[in-house]
Amino acid sequence: DVKVTQSSRYLVKRTGEKVFLECVQDMDHENMFWYRQDPGLGLRLIYFSYDVKMKEKGDIPEGYSVSREKKERFSLILESASTNQTSMYLCASSPSTGTNYGYTFGSGTRLTVV
Amino acid sequence: KQEVTQIPAALSVPEGENLVLNCSFTDSAIYNLQWFRQDPGKGLTSLLLIQSSQREQTSGRLNASLDKSSGRSTLYIAASQPGDSATYLCAVADSNYQLIWGAGTKLIIKP
Repeated sequence: DVKVTQSSRYLVKRTGEKVFLECVQDMDHENMFWYRQDPGLGLRLIYFSYDVKMKEKGDIPEGYSVSREKKERFSLILESASTNQTSMYLCASSPSTGTNYGYTFGSGTRLTVV
Repeated sequence: KQEVTQIPAALSVPEGENLVLNCSFTDSAIYNLQWFRQDPGKGLTSLLLIQSSQREQTSGRLNASLDKSSGRSTLYIAASQPGDSATYLCAVADSNYQLIWGAGTKLIIKP
């Protein structure tokens, strides 16, 4: 089975801190995604990547950046954390575009910014 | 623009009943449709994936159907159990292979 591993289940950070959320997948998937999930707003795509060193903005990229130096690892960076970034963050991976294979998600990171 | 709707938003049924969750989408040009389960505070678990050329998929007590022409999918759960209580999300992969999400159905199975 594909595994998508997020490094932390729970994080508490202070306003203004630089925060790194790490995601690793073990099935050589080309595509990786970062979502945030908030009550009443559902899942919203922050950034995604179709290949190493490649990134694309999703629907809500403001305040975030990403890094993909290796195929298996996709990092989400909050340059200066703010309280409105308190949320559940979900990482996902999938095989390359054009195939009929689905997404696999990690277990999520609950981030609280105080 | 693709829109995905799930009805009902919440559902509570006694244990043992068979039930159906609904998902509708506005644009039939999809790659696939995927059903996920989410337990409170947890990530998403993929349940079933239906490719655009398929009509249904089955896994244990779960059966998902797809009717692209009418823009509908259903998730059928047979002989429901308290452990089935969760939020169920459907998502369609559009022509760019991006997922468009429904808002989910919160299911409660009463013992």
